[in-house]
Amino acid sequence: QVQLQESGPGLVKPSGTLSLTCIVSGGSVISGNWWTWVRQTPGKGLEWIGEMYHSGTTNYNPSLRSRATISIDKSKNQFSLKLSSVTAADTAVYFCASRKMAYYQVDYWGQGTLVTVSS
Amino acid sequence: EIVLTQSPGTLSLSPGERATLSCRASQSVSGSYLAWYQQKPGQAPRLLIYGASSRATGIPDRFSGSGSGTDFTLTISRVEPEDFVVYYCQQYDTSLTFGGGTKVEIK
Repeated sequence: QVQLQESGPGLVKPSGTLSLTCIVSGGSVISGNWWTWVRQTPGKGLEWIGEMYHSGTTNYNPSLRSRATISIDKSKNQFSLKLSSVTAADTAVYFCASRKMAYYQVDYWGQGTLVTVSS
Repeated sequence: EIVLTQSPGTLSLSPGERATLSCRASQSVSGSYLAWYQQKPGQAPRLLIYGASSRATGIPDRFSGSGSGTDFTLTISRVEPEDFVVYYCQQYDTSLTFGGGTKVEIK
């Protein structure tokens, strides 16, 4: 069973870049999964950020596409999120997650990590 | 982008009662692309139903999903104490979106 664990700074300054990593265990990033990031705020609920397949194909939420970058590190069996030009509106709990290729539901979730944008 | 609207926002029930949660899409969704999740406080969402009506591994049979087109339903046949939490629907067409959630609370 795939297990996911987020890591990264819990505090980011406005206009800076949010960087998070998700360590994958119990499975491989080069398996048939899409590697996904979702965030949750009290105001906007659950919001999909985007996903990446190990081939390099990515899909992003249109509203975040200009600021979000997802990448995979095959050597470390992990994937990452970078979100640039952050504001207080990007304060949220960030979840890494995955869905199987050719399926449309998110099967596995990390526990989530709170990122606060503040000076 | 397909918008999912969940109703009611809060559902007040007694243990043992039947819960009916609605998810309405702004345009037609293939049943294969509709899922339901349960989220307990401080935890990640947990997949309950995928493909509109298939239960995920380990999900009790009191949870069932139905619907097609723009109207989907999650039913809990007899609400147990641990079911009083928040439920979300989710779809994927060109991008993945979630509904705003329904909180099931104790009456």
